[in-house]
Amino acid sequence: NAGVTQTPKFQVLKTGQSMTLQCAQDMNHEYMSWYRQDPGMGLRLIHYSVGAGITDQGEVPNGYNVSRSTTEDFPLRLLSAAPSQTSVYFCASSRVQGFYGYTFGSGTRLTVV
Amino acid sequence: AQTVTQSQPEMSVQEAETVTLSCTYDTSESDYYLFWYKQPPSRQMILVIRQEAYKQQNATENRFSVNFQKAAKSFSLKISDSQLGDAAMYFCAYRTAQGLTFGEGTQLTVNP
Repeated sequence: NAGVTQTPKFQVLKTGQSMTLQCAQDMNHEYMSWYRQDPGMGLRLIHYSVGAGITDQGEVPNGYNVSRSTTEDFPLRLLSAAPSQTSVYFCASSRVQGFYGYTFGSGTRLTVV
Repeated sequence: AQTVTQSQPEMSVQEAETVTLSCTYDTSESDYYLFWYKQPPSRQMILVIRQEAYKQQNATENRFSVNFQKAAKSFSLKISDSQLGDAAMYFCAYRTAQGLTFGEGTQLTVNP
């Protein structure tokens, strides 16, 4: 049971480039979400999904797109990377609407230069 | 919208001693769920403890326990018999329908 798998673990992008952060879970969780972690600010919700085909915006969605074509996968796309998107990104999933907490991936450290 | 505040950016404790990390939150809901997460240097987010607001009893998980004061909207984490492996960033979080709202975190140092 792998849990939540994120790839890559590290990435350096140039300003204006696009990329996709991958997230997969094998726990059959309905809820999946993306967070970014910045120093002194905790984790902030970017986008979330309550099931395949359903996504919605979180607190800081600008510059990011998501899709949920299967229960297992929830990729995060950076459309045109900016230095302000330098951060650590976490994918998380949960069952039963998060009442029992979320399981997190190991994170992706993204640097935009 | 719910907010979560951790007013202690850094805390330190001697090995084997007890430390309490503070968390306050703001909500208009009567039934909700609160969590403490631990983030060691490995960056992995680890669920430490969970509290359901409608339960009066404070949650306990081994050396970790909470002091949940619903009227005061306070949710502190007590770590007893601190160990070197407890050194980490600790986040308080509030469950919303969209996901989790996190506090700013408290960096805990454990001194040998």
